[in-house]
Amino acid sequence: EVQLLESGGGLVQPGGSLRLSCAASGFTFSTYGMTWVRQAPGKGLEWVSLISGSGAGTYYADSVQGRFTISRDNSKNTLYLQMNSLRAEDTAIYYCAKKKGVGYYPPDHWGQGTLVTVSS
Amino acid sequence: DIQMTQSPSSLSASVGDRVTITCRASQGISSNLAWFQQKPGTAPKSLIYAASTLGGGVPSKFSGSGSGTDFTLTISSLQPEDFATYYCQQYSTFPWTFGQGTTVEIK
Repeated sequence: EVQLLESGGGLVQPGGSLRLSCAASGFTFSTYGMTWVRQAPGKGLEWVSLISGSGAGTYYADSVQGRFTISRDNSKNTLYLQMNSLRAEDTAIYYCAKKKGVGYYPPDHWGQGTLVTVSS
Repeated sequence: DIQMTQSPSSLSASVGDRVTITCRASQGISSNLAWFQQKPGTAPKSLIYAASTLGGGVPSKFSGSGSGTDFTLTISSLQPEDFATYYCQQYSTFPWTFGQGTTVEIK
């Protein structure tokens, strides 16, 4: 059974940093691209970033480009999101999700999310 | 960026109704479209990918169709557990983009 467990959320001041983690199990982690999607309170889903299975390819939304860095440690089956220069508008639940396959595929399994609050 | 526009933004329906939600892409995305269901306080659940292929364990009352720029999600007979918010998402081009969501409420 695929399981994704996010951690690392919390309250941070504007301009601060936070690193989210997503521990994966139940599948061959290094085979699949992984993605972060966020949801601001009461709002819709917003794609944040994606990393390929090997880690060689990374992609970002314009809203986080240059501030967030996605990475993975395939030896630890863990996905990360390093978030720097945080802004109030980054306040959201952050979900990690597994791509369904290699190539043109969307997410097929989601974690339960971790809440990031950016406030002074 | 490709913009995804869903309609309606919300709808009220009764148990047993057939419901259709539309998603339009601002440019062609072939069949690289997914649908997700989200209930309050929970993570999204994957329903459909490749515009019309049901995800594992998704009941056949859900169906998807379309290609290019126009897509639909249909629920053939609405049940109490189907009241939720539904999102379309294109994965043809980065940045991936979602529709704004359609909330299906009980009439």
